[in-house]
Amino acid sequence: DTEVTQTPKHLVMGMTNKKSLKCEQHMGHRAMYWYKQKAKKPPELMFVYSYEKLSINESVPSRFSPECPNSSLLNLHLHALQPEDSALYLCASSRTSGTPSTDTQYFGPGTRLTVL
Amino acid sequence: GENVEQHPSTLSVQEGDSAVIKCTYSDSASNYFPWYKQELGKRPQLIIDIRSNVGEKKDQRIAVTLNKTAKHFSLHITETQPEDSAVYFCAAPIQGAQKLVFGQGTRLTINP
Repeated sequence: DTEVTQTPKHLVMGMTNKKSLKCEQHMGHRAMYWYKQKAKKPPELMFVYSYEKLSINESVPSRFSPECPNSSLLNLHLHALQPEDSALYLCASSRTSGTPSTDTQYFGPGTRLTVL
Repeated sequence: GENVEQHPSTLSVQEGDSAVIKCTYSDSASNYFPWYKQELGKRPQLIIDIRSNVGEKKDQRIAVTLNKTAKHFSLHITETQPEDSAVYFCAAPIQGAQKLVFGQGTRLTINP
């Protein structure tokens, strides 16, 4: 399996809802990433997990809560989001997340999130 | 701060012609430079990358050149085809951090 998968593909939620985004890879990669992408903009890094431990949090608001239950799975828990959080949320993985980062990052198809 | 600048933001070429997209980076320690292609509604997909121990890499119609002295790298697409139409992003790592910084993207349109 050489793909990163994400569910759901689309999500519409109200500002009081709690929802979760899921990401999975079976390539044996030990680094996983969450990115946020607004229309016509590049992906913007949110979180990096390395060997199931959170290694980078790009000052993301606490209404976004990442979780890495095991080396193949990555979740993003959402609570009390704002309309401006509407975006494409991309998961990515790489073999490692060494310093500096030189391993290819492979992206999932993304979850299109709309916050009403 | 560390950043990657990408030009042009939009590029329109006739089918069969060549397209060139350029990026400059600020961290002289950066040593890995990937290019991603993102079609509308799709995921970014790696199309080619280069590491700092080489100056050029080619894969069929796509090539990337790197000038470490000037801190810039370029994507070259020859014999362009309609399916090359997409947004292209360059990226570079920040030394000491486990992250890539992306350029702002180039929307490439191939006119038949």
